[in-house]
Amino acid sequence: AQSVTQLDSHVSVSEGTPVLLRCNYSSSYSPSLFWYVQHPNKGLQLLLKYTSAATLVKGINGFEAEFKKSETSFHLTKPSAHMSDAAEYFCVVSQTLGGNQFYFGTGTSLTVIP
Amino acid sequence: DGGITQSPKYLFRKEGQNVTLSCEQNLNHDAMYWYRQDPGQGLRLIYYSQIVNDFQKGDIAEGYSVSREKKESFPLTVTSAQKNPTAFYLCASSGRDGSSYNEQFFGPGTRLTVL
Repeated sequence: AQSVTQLDSHVSVSEGTPVLLRCNYSSSYSPSLFWYVQHPNKGLQLLLKYTSAATLVKGINGFEAEFKKSETSFHLTKPSAHMSDAAEYFCVVSQTLGGNQFYFGTGTSLTVIP
Repeated sequence: DGGITQSPKYLFRKEGQNVTLSCEQNLNHDAMYWYRQDPGQGLRLIYYSQIVNDFQKGDIAEGYSVSREKKESFPLTVTSAQKNPTAFYLCASSGRDGSSYNEQFFGPGTRLTVL
C-alpha cells in the first residue's frame, strides 16, 4: 500500500533562511516520488521528481530533495527562502511498475516572513 | 504549446442543476484524473481513466460522472446528487514510459460555487 505523510501542515521561515519541508512515504514497491507547488487558486506545478536514479534530486527555483530509503523520507529543502516561495507544497508517491495512481500528502503551507 | 486546459475558470450553479467541467490535454497522455480540493485540504481523487473508453472510481466518486470518448478529453459532470459540490476541481494527465507512469501535469483548475 502506498501512503504519504507530510509532517508539518504549516511552516514559517524568514526570507533568506533555509526551508525544510518534511515528507515520509510508505510503498510496497520501488516508488516514484514528487514534490509539487500550488499557488492560490492555481493548478499544481512540478518542482522535482525521484524515479530511482540519483538520490539527490534538483528541481526548479533552487529546490532539491533527497531520497532516503532507510528512513523512507523525501524531504524538500532550499538554502534561502524567497518571498515568491510562499505557497502550498504537496509530496506525492506513485508506483514505478504498472502504477497509475498517485497518492498525495495533505500539504504543507509555507509562509515567508519579510 | 502543450498542456492541459480546464474551462471555465469560475462556475456558478444553482442547487439541483447538473454542470459539466471541461478538461482537454494535447500531451498525448493515456491517463487522466479528476481531483477535488477543499479549502486548506489536500487533493481527493474523484475519477481516473487509464485509456479511452475506460475509467474507474476514485475515493469520492458519489455524485459525479465522467466519460472518456476521446484520448484528449475527460469531462466531469457534477450531478445534483452531489451534496456539497462547492470546491476547486483539478484535472491532471500522465504519460507512460513502458509500464511506468511519469509525473502528472495539472490544469489551472475550475472553481465551482453552488448558489
